[in-house]
Amino acid sequence: GESVGLHLPTLSVQEGDNSIINCAYSNSASDYFIWYKQESGKGPQFIIDIRSNMDKRQGQRVTVLLNKTVKHLSLQIAATQPGDSAVYFCAERGENAGNMLTFGGGTRLMVKP
Amino acid sequence: ETGVTQTPRHLVMGMTNKKSLKCEQHLGHNAMYWYKQSAKKPLELMFVYNFKEQTENNSVPSRFSPECPNSSHLFLHLHTLQPEDSALYLCASSQVGQGSGNTIYFGEGSWLTVV
Repeated sequence: GESVGLHLPTLSVQEGDNSIINCAYSNSASDYFIWYKQESGKGPQFIIDIRSNMDKRQGQRVTVLLNKTVKHLSLQIAATQPGDSAVYFCAERGENAGNMLTFGGGTRLMVKP
Repeated sequence: ETGVTQTPRHLVMGMTNKKSLKCEQHLGHNAMYWYKQSAKKPLELMFVYNFKEQTENNSVPSRFSPECPNSSHLFLHLHTLQPEDSALYLCASSQVGQGSGNTIYFGEGSWLTVV
C-alpha cells in the first residue's frame, strides 16, 4: 500500500546549527504535504505545509523542500534552538484522498546545548 | 492553545469499565477525527466525521464507539478495553471542501492506560 516513511529515527544537532529532517513518500499522486512537531506530552502541532505544485516554501526559521521526482520531502530548521527538540512527522494526502492524511513514523530531533 | 480541547488529559480504567473521551474544537471546522498514537507506531486514523456524519471507520474494534452530536464536539466511548489499547488518543479537526488545504489541527491528547 501507499506509505510515508522517515529515513532517520533520531537526529542530534548542536544548538545554533541547521537541522534537516527527511521524509520519503511512495504515492506519486500525493498533492499536499504537511510537517508536524510533537513535543513530549503534547499533541502534534502544525509547522508548515506545501502543495505539489511548489518545490519550496519558507516559514519562520523553517523551510520545506519537495522533490517530486524522487518523492522526497525535507524540513530545514535554521539556527536550531533547544525548544526545537521534539518529534517531527511528515504527512501526505493522496490526490483523491479527500481529507485523509497518511503520517510517517516520526524523527526525534535532539538539540545539544 | 490549539483550538482543539480534549478531556480528560489522563485516564486510567479497568478492562470492565465504561468511560468516554471528549473533544471540542473552537476553529469552526467541519470535520473531526480520532487518531491513536502508540509507542513506535505512526499515527493511526480511527474515525472521521464530515459535517457530523461518520465517513471513515478504519477497522476499529467495536469496543471503541464514536459519537459526534454536532460539528464542534466529538466523543469516544470506551467499553471493555484491553491493555493493548493503552495509548495516546488524539482528537483533531480540519476544514474540508473546495479550496481548503485540509490542514489537520490536533488537540493535546488523552493518555489512556488500561489496567
